[in-house]
Amino acid sequence: KQEVTQIPAALSVPEGENLVLNCSFTDSAIYNLQWFRQDPGKGLTSLLLIQSSQREQTSGRLNASLDKSSGRSTLYIAASQPGDSATYLCAVKSGGSNYKLTFGKGTLLTVNP
Amino acid sequence: DAEITQSPRHKITETGRQVTLACHQTWNHNNMFWYRQDLGHGLRLIHYSYGVHDTNKGEVSDGYSVSRSNTEDLPLTLESAASSQTSVYFCASSGGLSAYNEQFFGPGTRLTVL
Repeated sequence: KQEVTQIPAALSVPEGENLVLNCSFTDSAIYNLQWFRQDPGKGLTSLLLIQSSQREQTSGRLNASLDKSSGRSTLYIAASQPGDSATYLCAVKSGGSNYKLTFGKGTLLTVNP
Repeated sequence: DAEITQSPRHKITETGRQVTLACHQTWNHNNMFWYRQDLGHGLRLIHYSYGVHDTNKGEVSDGYSVSRSNTEDLPLTLESAASSQTSVYFCASSGGLSAYNEQFFGPGTRLTVL
């Protein structure tokens, strides 16, 4: 059974700092890994999708890496801003023919002005 | 623009009542999913569908049912609501037959069972 862990559970940083969020998964037989952002009381916004054959994806100040063999992914946020404050969720798609997403519990990020 | 919508956004009901949450997507996606999100558990899959008339159970399907009569809609029914089903419910969809496609989420429905 796939399990996804995100560390740390919460992170508070000053504005302008570069930061890394971590995600690990137990079964390396994945199709892809997706990073989401969730604002309080809101839905999930997809940030980056990394296919199993890829090593990283970039979008603006965000860079996500994937090391499938070790079961790890990182989300790097450059020059953090208060508007980046949210919960970041990692999810992996696996499960053979009945593929589905398994989510981590998220990292709550607070960027202080 | 294509989108995925959920209704109602907030619902309060009583124990034992039947409740149906609506999910509608305009992407013409084959695949649709229902999740619930709870503190301490994260998002967990309830039911999913890979096409019209196809439905499958997820990891927390007891007490829930779905039906897929068209591509656009996947309503979630709580047969007899229980307080343990108080949660935030998210619908999602993804396109094509491939496992490699991105999943998009609706805004959520906050359900309270008293």
